[in-house]
Amino acid sequence: AQKVTQAQTEISVVEKEDVTLDCVYETRDTTYYLFWYKQPPSGELVFLIRRNSFDEQNEISGRYSWNFQKSTSSFNFTITASQVVDSAVYFCALSEARGGSEKLVFGKGTKLTVNP
Amino acid sequence: NAGVTQTPKFQVLKTGQSMTLQCAQDMNHEYMSWYRQDPGMGLRLIHYSVGAGITDQGEVPNGYNVSRSTTEDFPLRLLSAAPSQTSVYFCASSSVGTGARNQPQHFGDGTRLSIL
Repeated sequence: AQKVTQAQTEISVVEKEDVTLDCVYETRDTTYYLFWYKQPPSGELVFLIRRNSFDEQNEISGRYSWNFQKSTSSFNFTITASQVVDSAVYFCALSEARGGSEKLVFGKGTKLTVNP
Repeated sequence: NAGVTQTPKFQVLKTGQSMTLQCAQDMNHEYMSWYRQDPGMGLRLIHYSVGAGITDQGEVPNGYNVSRSTTEDFPLRLLSAAPSQTSVYFCASSSVGTGARNQPQHFGDGTRLSIL
């Protein structure tokens, strides 16, 4: 069965600190997709990244970077030089569906608070 | 281009009442789904549809019905509301198939439902 674990329930940092959000997943499939979503205090879900199981290259997008390691079944998310606007709940999710985006299984989320 | 539109945004019901949460998308997406978000639980899949006339159950389907008569609409029905169904409900859509492997799910802004 699929499972996503975000062990960090809440993290609090001071602005400009780097912070890493952990995500560990379980799946029996060899083909799967991993996602990160951001949910700011306003409540909407904002897509950040999608990665398929065959692409283990790390990705950087501005202050955001993602480290995908199949050997440890982890897909961690790092925010460099955090800002107050990064305060949100962050969800990691997994999909085994063929289309790559359906039937997401979400972790319970990590609430990040960035203090000025 | 409105994306995924959910109505209403807020609703208060009494136990035993029925209601329908509306979801519409204008992106011609084949796949649509409903999730519920409860504190500390992340998002959990209720029902999903891979096309008009086709629906299936997700992780937490009990107490909910869905139908998909058109590509655009995917309403979620609560036949007899219970306090345990107090939650935030998100509708999502995405394309299915090889050409859509880079398309993430698009989420609506959510419906906050309280059942007294």
